[in-house]
Amino acid sequence: KQEVTQIPAALSVPEGENLVLNCSFTDSAIYNLQWFRQDPGKGLTSLLLIQSSQREQTSGRLNASLDKSSGRSTLYIAASQPGDSATYLCAVKSGSARQLTFGSGTQLTVLP
Amino acid sequence: DADVTQTPRNRITKTGKRIMLECSQTKGHDRMYWYRQDPGLGLRLIYYSFDVKDINKGEISDGYSVSRQAQAKFSLSLESAIPNQTALYFCATSDMGQGVETQYFGPGTRLLVL
Repeated sequence: KQEVTQIPAALSVPEGENLVLNCSFTDSAIYNLQWFRQDPGKGLTSLLLIQSSQREQTSGRLNASLDKSSGRSTLYIAASQPGDSATYLCAVKSGSARQLTFGSGTQLTVLP
Repeated sequence: DADVTQTPRNRITKTGKRIMLECSQTKGHDRMYWYRQDPGLGLRLIYYSFDVKDINKGEISDGYSVSRQAQAKFSLSLESAIPNQTALYFCATSDMGQGVETQYFGPGTRLLVL
């Protein structure tokens, strides 16, 4: 059974810092990995999706990397802003599964 | 207007009551999902449907049932609510654009069972 872990559970940084959020998974036979952002009262928004054949994806100040062999993904946020404050979730779609397995998330606070 | 809507947004009920959470989408997607989120546990899949005639149990379906009334509507029922079903419930839809499945989430329903 796939298990997804995100550490740390919470992170607080001053505005302008570059930061890295971590995600690890136990079964490397994945189809893809997604990073989501969750804002209170607004559900989840997909940020980046990395296919199993890819090493990274970039969108604006966000960069997500994937290392299947070690079961790890990172989300890099450059020049953080208070508006980046949210909970960030990673989710893995395993090769044979028809569903996503979510991590418990990292709650990010960017201080002005 | 939001593409995926959930009603109600908040609900307080008592143990033993039957309740229904509703989800509607205007995205025209065939696939719909119900998840629950508990503090520290992430999202867990309750049920999913790949079309109107296809209903599948997820990881934690016990105590829940669903109905796919139409392509655009997917309802989640708690036949006899219990306190450990207190959680944040999300509906999601997905499509397979260019071979990649992307899920779109509703805003969530916060349920409290007393």
